[in-house]
Amino acid sequence: SQKIEQNSEALNIQEGKTATLTCNYTNYSPAYLQWYRQDPGRGPVFLLLIRENEKEKRKERLKVTFDTTLKQSLFHITASQPADSATYLCALDFRTDDKIIFGKGTRLHILP
Amino acid sequence: DTAVSQTPKYLVTQMGNDKSIKCEQNLGHDTMYWYKQDSKKFLKIMFSYNNKELIINETVPNRFSPKSPDKAHLNLHINSLELGDSAVYFCASSQAATRTGELFFGEGSRLTVL
Repeated sequence: SQKIEQNSEALNIQEGKTATLTCNYTNYSPAYLQWYRQDPGRGPVFLLLIRENEKEKRKERLKVTFDTTLKQSLFHITASQPADSATYLCALDFRTDDKIIFGKGTRLHILP
Repeated sequence: DTAVSQTPKYLVTQMGNDKSIKCEQNLGHDTMYWYKQDSKKFLKIMFSYNNKELIINETVPNRFSPKSPDKAHLNLHINSLELGDSAVYFCASSQAATRTGELFFGEGSRLTVL
């Protein structure tokens, strides 16, 4: 069965530095790979989507890469701020059955 | 104006009871979902409905019964609650027709079974 691994359960980064989160998956590459942010006590909020034929996507201070050979996506937050502290979830969308599968997430702490 | 709203936000009940969680979306989406997030924060899909039709049922016990009276509503009824049902349940919606797959989540309903 398909597995998703976000290899850091928690990550501490100094304010102003770039935070890099990793998402690895097994078996088949999804048509789309998505990243969500979840704050404590709230629902996940969509951030970025990258398609299997795209290498990189940017949105303001966020950058996502997608390497179907390595079966890996990297999520970068540049010039990180304490307000970026949250759990970040990677999700795979295979476009076959409307099912989006989530990783366990990485808790990111930006230290002032 | 909340896009995906769920009620109640908190639910505390005894084992063996039956409870329901309601979900409504005002985004005009055609697909709605129920996800369960356990104590380890793992978000797992339970059900998916497209235009009121069940399309995903992820080997969830029969005690869980979703109902979609119309495209904008997806309710979850749970019979004979067990301790292991304690979790946060999230409703979500998306527009399958656009094929971007972005999910819009509600704020979650925290169920505690005593």
